[in-house]
Amino acid sequence: DAGVTQSPTHLIKTRGQQVTLRCSPISGHKSVSWYQQVLGQGPQFIFQYYEKEERGRGNFPDRFSARQFPNYSSELNVNALLLGDSALYLCASTGAAGELFFGEGSRLTVL
Amino acid sequence: QKEVEQNSGPLSVPEGAIASLNCTYSDRGSQSFFWYRQYSGKSPELIMSIYSNGDKEDGRFTAQLNKASQYVSLLIRDSQPSDSATYLCAVPSGGSNYKLTFGKGTLLTVNP
Repeated sequence: DAGVTQSPTHLIKTRGQQVTLRCSPISGHKSVSWYQQVLGQGPQFIFQYYEKEERGRGNFPDRFSARQFPNYSSELNVNALLLGDSALYLCASTGAAGELFFGEGSRLTVL
Repeated sequence: QKEVEQNSGPLSVPEGAIASLNCTYSDRGSQSFFWYRQYSGKSPELIMSIYSNGDKEDGRFTAQLNKASQYVSLLIRDSQPSDSATYLCAVPSGGSNYKLTFGKGTLLTVNP
């Protein structure tokens, strides 16, 4: 079975631009979470969606938004990019015991 | 106090030795605990989960949990150079079962 898939794997944007990151969870999993990981830190929670509903939101500005589609795939959008948004963006599927299974991530560089 | 704390390392051990990685957490209500391994430039990979006080063994890995002391550890026996990575401790936070809080990770280097 395929694991969590994310696209694109790498992207470069300039300040002020907008970016959309995509994720498909493990087949059969209905929950998707998004995390941001900057260099030298652990992943930080951004959003979780379950059955297309937002279940939680981390301490991120309104420039960050997400949605989940009927097929349980998800998109993370970041508007008005700042240099500090440069990070590895991780999508995760949630297992039955609350464990997270991460995709390979989307590495965003903001210039 | 940070929610999840780990020694940032780096921790350096010779090949074949036991590597011991430690994590403390602040939420006494936490019921599940996870260890992730992250190779440089890669995403985190789940290697162990533990839910009850005591030890849980899986191959060369042993997770140890002490809820009274709010302490969870990961032991890696017979360390191999391929174990060189950052190890992240993660705990559900805020009473939720969907949001994990991660420590900053401990960088482990296993020297041949």
